[in-house]
Amino acid sequence: QQQVKQSPQSLIVQKGGISIINCAYENTAFDYFPWYQQFPGKGPALLIAIRPDVSEKKEGRFTISFNKSAKQFSLHIMDSQPGDSATYFCAASKGGADGLTFGKGTHLIIQP
Amino acid sequence: KAGVTQTPRYLIKTRGQQVTLSCSPISGHRSVSWYQQTPGQGLQFLFEYFSETQRNKGNFPGRFSGRQFSNSRSEMNVSTLELGDSALYLCASSFRGGARNSPLHFGNGTRLTVT
Repeated sequence: QQQVKQSPQSLIVQKGGISIINCAYENTAFDYFPWYQQFPGKGPALLIAIRPDVSEKKEGRFTISFNKSAKQFSLHIMDSQPGDSATYFCAASKGGADGLTFGKGTHLIIQP
Repeated sequence: KAGVTQTPRYLIKTRGQQVTLSCSPISGHRSVSWYQQTPGQGLQFLFEYFSETQRNKGNFPGRFSGRQFSNSRSEMNVSTLELGDSALYLCASSFRGGARNSPLHFGNGTRLTVT
């Protein structure tokens, strides 16, 4: 059972455009939703995270939108740059010692 | 501050053998967790250690085990290797443990190939 579903699997965006990646979760016990960025040959790096008490969080060009009733959250990358080309993972976690449950990832390519 | 260090970077083993992977966390971090990354299953949680105690374990068979030492360094062991164990194994450290309590910092992984 895939608890966090991520789409699209791959995405091509022109430089300067907006990249949008969506995730949906099933377990209502999740209360922490981070996004990770992974470059080839590297481990994932935390990009931005949100908790369900807010509907939006912005850090620079990256914004998370969160819809608790729909059990969905999304990552928006504004003014996308070639350096943003990477694989992006959404994830979710419950409290305590719970690990992260990851989506399957989105391979993002920003064309110059 | 040095990041999370995983050794070795690459390993090739034969079916039936066992393997030990090592992880040194960021200085001051007391929690280490392990994840398996494969093209088919993506990133999956293996287990988390905090102050030498395993606090949580993912849905993996008993062939996968780990431990944490008093200096917070951790090792992961896989016994009786199967072809399906071929994966990138990622270690992540955090200050407080529990993915929602403090950010996870990942190493660059150990690429295990089982032939």
